[in-house]
Amino acid sequence: EVQLVESGGGLVHPGGSLRLSCTASGFSFSDYAMSWVRQAPGKGLVWVSAISGPGGSTYYADSVKGRFTISRDNSKNTLHLQIDSLSAEDTAIYYCAKEVAPAAGDYFDHWGQGTLVTVSS
Amino acid sequence: EIVMTQSPATLSVSPGERATLSCRASQNIWKNLAWYQQKPGQAPRLLIYGASTRATGIPARFSGSGSGTDFTLTISSLQSEDFAVYYCQQYNNWYTFGHGTKLEIK
Repeated sequence: EVQLVESGGGLVHPGGSLRLSCTASGFSFSDYAMSWVRQAPGKGLVWVSAISGPGGSTYYADSVKGRFTISRDNSKNTLHLQIDSLSAEDTAIYYCAKEVAPAAGDYFDHWGQGTLVTVSS
Repeated sequence: EIVMTQSPATLSVSPGERATLSCRASQNIWKNLAWYQQKPGQAPRLLIYGASTRATGIPARFSGSGSGTDFTLTISSLQSEDFAVYYCQQYNNWYTFGHGTKLEIK
């Protein structure tokens, strides 16, 4: 059974940083691209960042480029998202999501339960 | 950026009836479209990919159709557990989600 478990969310002041993690199990982690998708309170889904299965290619939404860094450790079946220079607009539940191929740019067949990031002074 | 427009924003339907949800892309996305269901407090769940292929474990009452720019998700006979928010997502050119359709009990 595929499982994705996010962690690392919390309350952070504007301008602060957080590192989110997603621990995967139940599939061959390095064979699949992974993404982060966020959802602001009461709002819809917005793709944030993706990384290829081997980890050599990374992609970002324009709204987070330069502030967010996606990475993965295939030896530990873990996905990360480093988020810097946070503002209130970054307040959201952050989901990690598994794609269906090693290359990014596909749909998401499994999602974690999400981790809440709240940016407030 | 490809814009995905879902309609209606809210759909009120009685249990046992059919629900039809629409999704329109701002440019041709061929059949690179997925549908997700999200219930309150839960993560999204994949329903349909490739515009019309049901994901593993999805009941046959869910069906998808369309290609190019116009797509439809149909739920043939609504069950109580189907009342939720539904999102379409294009993956022809990276990823864009629609704003969702809330399916509520009439």
